[in-house]
Amino acid sequence: GQQVMQIPQYQHVQEGEDFTTYCNSSTTLSNIQWYKQRPGGHPVFLIQLVKSGEVKKQKRLTFQFGEAKKNSSLHITATQTTDVGTYFCRVRDDYKLSFGAGTTVTVRA
Amino acid sequence: DGGITQSPKYLFRKEGQNVTLSCEQNLNHDAMYWYRQDPGQGLRLIYYSQIVNDFQKGDIAEGYSVSREKKESFPLTVTSAQKNPTAFYLCASSITLGSPLHFGNGTRLTVT
Repeated sequence: GQQVMQIPQYQHVQEGEDFTTYCNSSTTLSNIQWYKQRPGGHPVFLIQLVKSGEVKKQKRLTFQFGEAKKNSSLHITATQTTDVGTYFCRVRDDYKLSFGAGTTVTVRA
Repeated sequence: DGGITQSPKYLFRKEGQNVTLSCEQNLNHDAMYWYRQDPGQGLRLIYYSQIVNDFQKGDIAEGYSVSREKKESFPLTVTSAQKNPTAFYLCASSITLGSPLHFGNGTRLTVT
């Protein structure tokens, strides 16, 4: 069955630095969605990727879908305190929709 | 403004009591979902509904029940059979099953 892993589980970043978080699936995906949940808040949809190798940007955030459609990455440049939160991927294969466990990001000023 | 409304924000109950969490949406979305989130954990699917009068169990449906009598409403009942009901409950909706989710603000349930 489908297994989704997000790595790392925790990311501690110095303000101004870049980092990348990954979402890896054991099955080939139809699409992948990324969400952000601020502390004490609810998840908010960021982006959806559908095509193999697709790259989308939102300001300092770059999302990429792997060529084999089994993994995705979220890269944040010049991290700011507003980037604090947990980033979840939600994946879809032929059988199931699942959320990853998330990457929780903290920022050192 | 279109959105999803969950009420109440905080809910306290005694062990052994059933409790119903409200979820209403005015986005005209067909699909609705209930997720449970425990501290530091991800989102686990309890139930989902693709259309009125139809719903399916998710990964952790035991001890929960739902109804979908109206498109706008998808209430969740946490029954006394749920062994560890204290959690953060999130309702979500989407245009169709699998399309991007819109979440409510959540209900924090504490059972003592």
